[in-house]
This record gives sequence, structure tokens and C-alpha cells, in this order.
Amino acid sequence: QSVLTQPPSASGTPGQRVTISCSGGRSNIGTNTVDWYKQLPGTAPKLLIYSNIHRPSGVPDRFSGSKSATSASLAISGLQSEDEADYYCAAWDDTLNGFVFGSGTKVTVL
Amino acid sequence: QVQLVESGGGVVQPGTSLRLSCAASGFIFNNYAIHWVRQAPGKGLEWVGLISHDGRKKYVDSVKGRFTISRDNSKNTLFLQISGLRVEDTAVYYCARALPRMTTVGWFDPWGQGTLVTVSS
Repeated sequence: QSVLTQPPSASGTPGQRVTISCSGGRSNIGTNTVDWYKQLPGTAPKLLIYSNIHRPSGVPDRFSGSKSATSASLAISGLQSEDEADYYCAAWDDTLNGFVFGSGTKVTVL
Repeated sequence: QVQLVESGGGVVQPGTSLRLSCAASGFIFNNYAIHWVRQAPGKGLEWVGLISHDGRKKYVDSVKGRFTISRDNSKNTLFLQISGLRVEDTAVYYCARALPRMTTVGWFDPWGQGTLVTVSS
């Protein structure tokens, strides 16, 4: 059972906008920044969004992150077939004194 | 380019020990904390622990006392020593560099390709 809660799945047709939520608590998202990772099947995770809202070089601006209180969200606009993957949120937890990951959301492009 | 390459995984029996390695290249190794993250088959990501640039260590509670992270800055290599292996330790183990430089609470980039540890009798 993950400390950060994500919906198990999300889907949309090409071109649509999909949003993934990540719900936590005061000791993690409420106090620290949130990062998002994308994982294609059989490959290692890759950084997608860091410090709540920032995109690393090379990540399309179709991807955006936000945070409010103890929740964060990842939005994918203009959905494309290559966006089919698992997406994970992560944050430091001050109580556990370690990092916690969300349970992961599988995005399907219909 | 910045790269991390894990090795040392394999099929092992319960109760035995194993040492995983993570070879780093393309950056000043001793300026960065490195994390270990694992992923059981078909499951999500689980943070295992970290070693800071100056050798401080933290672990998730479930592995304390069995897992030991160390680093050899002269060889740009990180290690994860696992003792008393359990079936539930079966997973792909990833190492990942922590950013920003000289911090432990940040984001992970890049990740290695992972090494599979299978614990089975």
C-alpha cells in the first residue's frame, strides 16, 4: 500500500487531455516538492517533471505538473501514442525519513 | 554522457547474500548522492535507500539491518550489499543519481537500466 495515492489507470484518445492525481499528506507532498517519472514497459523510469512544475530538457511542453496543499497532478495535453506508459509521482516524506512513490498510473491511448 | 550501469543480479536462494554494483560515468561522482530503488515483478517503484555525496546513509524501514549501501569514489562505483535474502526481495534494482548536486532530497536523474534479483529455492 503506497503512501502516495494515484488512480490505477487513465485513458484518452489521441489529442485529448489526461490528468493524473497524486494524493499524499502533510509530511510528504504538504511539505516537500513532487517529481514525476514515466516508465515504458521493460525499461527504467525517466524523469518527467521535477520540483512540482519543472520539465527537464527534452520533455515536451505537453506535460505539465502542479501542486496544491497535499496533492499534485500531472497533465498530458495533446495525447499521443508514445505517451502510453506507467507514470509515478514521488516525494520525500519527513516522517518516514525517506522517499515515497505513488502506486503508479497506467495511461492508455485509445 | 551521464550514465549509471547496474550489475550483480541473478538467481539466488533464500537466506544468501548478494552484492549489486552501480558504475557511474559522465559526471563528478563524489559530488552526488545516489539512490537505490526496486521494482518487484508487475509492481510499482519502492525506494530502498540512499548514500549522500559525503557518505551518509538512509534506508527504508523494511530493509534496515539487511541492506547496506556503500560507495567507492575512487572507482566511481556504488554498492548495495543484501544479506538474508527473502523471496519478497525479488525485484529489478535500479540506481539513480540525486539532483541537485550535493543534496539528498531532490529528484532522480538519470536511472540505470536495472539488474534483476530473483530469490527462489
